[in-house]
Amino acid sequence: DGGITQSPKYLFRKEGQNVTLSCEQNLNHDAMYWYRQDPGQGLRLIYYSQIVNDFQKGDIAEGYSVSREKKESFPLTVTSAQKNPTAFYLCASSIQRQSPSQPQHFGDGTRLSIL
Amino acid sequence: AQSVTQLGSHVSVSEGALVLLRCNYSSSVPPYLFWYVQYPNQGLQLLLKYTSAATLVKGINGFEAEFKKSETSFHLTKPSAHMSDAAEYFCAVSEEGGNKLVFGAGTILRVKS
Repeated sequence: DGGITQSPKYLFRKEGQNVTLSCEQNLNHDAMYWYRQDPGQGLRLIYYSQIVNDFQKGDIAEGYSVSREKKESFPLTVTSAQKNPTAFYLCASSIQRQSPSQPQHFGDGTRLSIL
Repeated sequence: AQSVTQLGSHVSVSEGALVLLRCNYSSSVPPYLFWYVQYPNQGLQLLLKYTSAATLVKGINGFEAEFKKSETSFHLTKPSAHMSDAAEYFCAVSEEGGNKLVFGAGTILRVKS
């Protein structure tokens, strides 16, 4: 079955620690996205990538970093510079870059909490 | 800049009653519009999308939405609510030439028995 796999489902971080959230897709989609979800605020875009080895900042990129070395993988690192990292993180993909009529497909998310 | 407003952070209906979730958008060009549903601790699932082919769009699970350009609205409806419809619903917009989605804040639908 094709889809997006996010791991782990739950993640705990200590103060001053970097953590990496995994996102893998086997849909052969070109574009991938990372969103942060907080209660009552909808989804906010952190980073997105339209093609391998290229990515752009979204609306709330500070304190986060990404890489796109393979088409199927788009890991997100939450750095110690992110002062309020507790949130639900969602990864998504869409079939083509620069194709706004195509919907995004979502993984089941990773819930990050601070110890 | 695009924006999406969902009126009502919480909506409560009785089982069997009409569901109406409101979405208004602002866009300088004809938009593409989407409705997604999210169940607790899960990702988002696409309900339906508007891409200018027809103003009345039918989606999964009996939901439909009507695009009204004059009102800049894309409200989601379902004639008869089911307990399994209880979830959070998000409206989103993207524009020609862009590939990013802008989401509304979401509406939590509660269905009472």
